Amino acid sequence: ELKVEQNPLFLSMQEGKNYTIYCNYSTTSDRLYWYRQDPGKSLESLFVLLSNGAVKQEGRLMASLDTKARLSTLHITAAVHDLSATYFCARPGTASKLTFGTGTRLQVTL
Amino acid sequence: EAGVAQSPRYKIIEKRQSVAFWCNPISGHATLYWYQQILGQGPKLLIQFQNNGVVDDSQLPKDRFSAERLKGVDSTLKIQPAKLEDSAVYLCASSLPRGPLSSYEQYFGPGTRLTVT
Repeated sequence: ELKVEQNPLFLSMQEGKNYTIYCNYSTTSDRLYWYRQDPGKSLESLFVLLSNGAVKQEGRLMASLDTKARLSTLHITAAVHDLSATYFCARPGTASKLTFGTGTRLQVTL
Repeated sequence: EAGVAQSPRYKIIEKRQSVAFWCNPISGHATLYWYQQILGQGPKLLIQFQNNGVVDDSQLPKDRFSAERLKGVDSTLKIQPAKLEDSAVYLCASSLPRGPLSSYEQYFGPGTRLTVT
């Protein structure tokens, strides 16, 4: 059974600090997606990582993929309050079916 | 470009009642997905359509849930009869069909929040 695990599940961090969210998955995949979800809202696509070693950056967020380690990371640089949300990684499987991670709820405090 | 549309946005029903949700995907997206997201969890795929054919419905509780996509565009998801544990947000997503130019990225609608009392 495919499993996608994220840690931490909850992250409280101060503005200006750096931190990394980890996403591990149990079976090999050459692609990995990251989504953001604000409370009561739908999922917003952040990054689509399509190959081993892929690195993408958007503002204060940077995502990377290591397919050999079955690991993706989402790095937050100099956090700001607007980044407070829940972040999900998702691994596509057969017929592009997505299996989502448990989610990481990020709270950025002043 | 218009996004994925869903209605209603909110629905409150009593257990054992029936409910239906509607989804209109992004134009040109042949693949349509229905997900169930229980509070505090990640979305779980219920059913996936490619045009009007079912690709995967392995996690759809078929004794009470049904879905259709008759003309390969809009889709409806029905629950009959509803149970308390069906309280969740039901998300519809769509994506381009498989091909060399597709990253299979899924675009999500705003969701329907269902409360079963």
